[in-house]
Amino acid sequence: DTGVSQDPRHKITKRGQNVTFRCDPISEHNRLYWYRQTLGQGPEFLTYFQNEAQLEKSRLLSDRFSAERPKGSFSTLEIQRTEQGDSAMYLCASSLTTDTQYFGPGTRLTVL
Amino acid sequence: AQTVTQSQPEMSVQEAETVTLSCTYDTSESDYYLFWYKQPPSRQMILVIRQEAYKQQNATENRFSVNFQKAAKSFSLKISDSQLGDAAMYFCAYRSAANAGKSTFGDGTTLTVKP
Repeated sequence: DTGVSQDPRHKITKRGQNVTFRCDPISEHNRLYWYRQTLGQGPEFLTYFQNEAQLEKSRLLSDRFSAERPKGSFSTLEIQRTEQGDSAMYLCASSLTTDTQYFGPGTRLTVL
Repeated sequence: AQTVTQSQPEMSVQEAETVTLSCTYDTSESDYYLFWYKQPPSRQMILVIRQEAYKQQNATENRFSVNFQKAAKSFSLKISDSQLGDAAMYFCAYRSAANAGKSTFGDGTTLTVKP
């Protein structure tokens, strides 16, 4: 069990650029979640998948955000036309059905 | 909508002593889960302890225990025999049993452990 992994760990980009993050869940975990965490606050839910199906999306997930989990394994989160307000830590978590969510180390995004 | 409130932005404790972190939540549901997560500086979030709402018995994991008061919607974390490695941000989280997707987190309590 290697845990949840995320790549990259850090990303610096210029405003207006597109970025993509990857999350590899714990093997055999059928649920995968994305959260956003800004400094001094708790994680905020963005979206989650059961296998390859995206079951819920937060209002926080604007049209510039898209997430996929094409084969029910890894997931990607893309942000188009990044804005400075997108700067945050993006956390991925996975779980087996309704069990406890296990978090990855996160991807820290800085938009200049 | 469910909300989670952690009223103590910062707490400190002397090494080897006991500290209690507070958490309250608001929900109209009867079946749910509550969690405490620990997030050390620049490190990933890890689960400390979990409580099912239908269980009356308070969860315990080694030096960590909770005081779950369902009627009061309170879920505090007690850390006994505090260690330097306990220093971290602690988050309380709620998850509905009916919608097992998102978890709702509080804004965290930063715990400092003094040697």
